[in-house]
Amino acid sequence: KAGVTQTPRYLIKTRGQQVTLSCSPISGHRSVSWYQQTPGQGLQFLFEYFSETQRNKGNFPGRFSGRQFSNSRSEMNVSTLELGDSALYLCASSLAGAGVETQYFGPGTRLLVL
Amino acid sequence: AQKITQTQPGMFVQEKEAVTLDCTYDTSDQSYGLFWYKQPSSGEMIFLIYQGSYDEQNATEGRYSLNFQKARKSANLVISASQLGDSAMYFCAMRLMTTDSWGKLQFGAGTQVVVTP
Repeated sequence: KAGVTQTPRYLIKTRGQQVTLSCSPISGHRSVSWYQQTPGQGLQFLFEYFSETQRNKGNFPGRFSGRQFSNSRSEMNVSTLELGDSALYLCASSLAGAGVETQYFGPGTRLLVL
Repeated sequence: AQKITQTQPGMFVQEKEAVTLDCTYDTSDQSYGLFWYKQPSSGEMIFLIYQGSYDEQNATEGRYSLNFQKARKSANLVISASQLGDSAMYFCAMRLMTTDSWGKLQFGAGTQVVVTP
């Protein structure tokens, strides 16, 4: 079974621009979560989507948004980029069925904001 | 609020030796899951092992085992027979379980492990 895929893998943007990152979950997984990882703040939860609805949300400004499509693929968007948005963005998927909900991560998108 | 603490920022371990990575957690909830992930320099987070709060036996997965002490709120990872490929950052994480869904993954700061020949 293919793992979680994220595109693009690397991205360079300038301040003020916007960016869209994409995540395709493991086949059959219905929940997708996004995390931001920086050296200073560590791993922080952005949001989780399940059945095209946002189920959980972290403490990020409204510039960070996401959505999930009917095939469970998810996108996250960051508008008006700031230097501090430079980070590794990780997407994770889980079954969201009964039992243990282990999250499986993709390779991440490294975003550099100049 | 829940919190995960990993007190060891980094450690060296010799090949073929065992290593224990410490993790303590803080929550007042009764239903939760504890997870360990490995992150090599490439960046991908690799799931290693899971322990549920109601599991009475310690979890094991190949060379990985989890030393779960619920009363002390600790969930230490033991890697036996270390290999050079085990060099990576290791994260302890927790998810709370509600009546109908699981919450977000809360991560510790991580422990950098370097395996030497």
